[in-house]
Amino acid sequence: EVRLVESGGGLVQPGRSLRLSCAASGFTFDDYGMHWVRQAPGKGLQWVSGINWNSGSIDYTDSVKDRFTISRDNAKNSLYLQMNSLRAEDTALYYCVKSRGRVSLRLAFEIWGQGTMVTVS
Amino acid sequence: QSVLTQPPSASGTPGQRVTISCSGSSSNIGSNTVNWYQQLPGTAPKLLIFSNNQRPSGVPDRFSGSKSGTSASLAISGLQSEDEADYYCAAWDDSLNGQGWVFGGGTKLTVL
Repeated sequence: EVRLVESGGGLVQPGRSLRLSCAASGFTFDDYGMHWVRQAPGKGLQWVSGINWNSGSIDYTDSVKDRFTISRDNAKNSLYLQMNSLRAEDTALYYCVKSRGRVSLRLAFEIWGQGTMVTVS
Repeated sequence: QSVLTQPPSASGTPGQRVTISCSGSSSNIGSNTVNWYQQLPGTAPKLLIFSNNQRPSGVPDRFSGSKSGTSASLAISGLQSEDEADYYCAAWDDSLNGQGWVFGGGTKLTVL
């Protein structure tokens, strides 16, 4: 069974940092790109960042560029999101998401984790 | 304000057919495929339709997707109570200002 388990969320003050982790299992991790997608309380979905299988292709939504860094460790089947200079508007449930493909970031979000909540206040 | 435009709500009675629209532009829907996600209350989103009209394994054929120009639609036939959920469209956007995934604001489907 494919599983994505996020961790690292919590309550943090504005301007501080937080690192999210996602542990993947049930599939060959380095065969797929991965993404972070967030959802503010009561709001819609917003793509945050994506990384392809070998970290050769990485992209971010404009509002987090220069503040957030996505990375992965294929040996540990893990995805990360380093979040610096956090703002109140970053408050959201952050989902770890498996892509349908390996190389391109443009393929659909196939499997979603349950999310980890980040509150900036 | 979302880059892709969806109606905030839709409704239907059991057995009916409902459609949800998603409007974009030449930099997203007009040049890339559309995916649809279903989010049941209190749960994580689930992939419903990819590449405009493809269903992942396990998704009933009551769900179908289509795309024309810069718009897309999700159709649900034989509406069931368990279809009550939020539905989101998404597409890759290649705008001059940058690139990345964009979503619609979501449509809350109510089964009356």
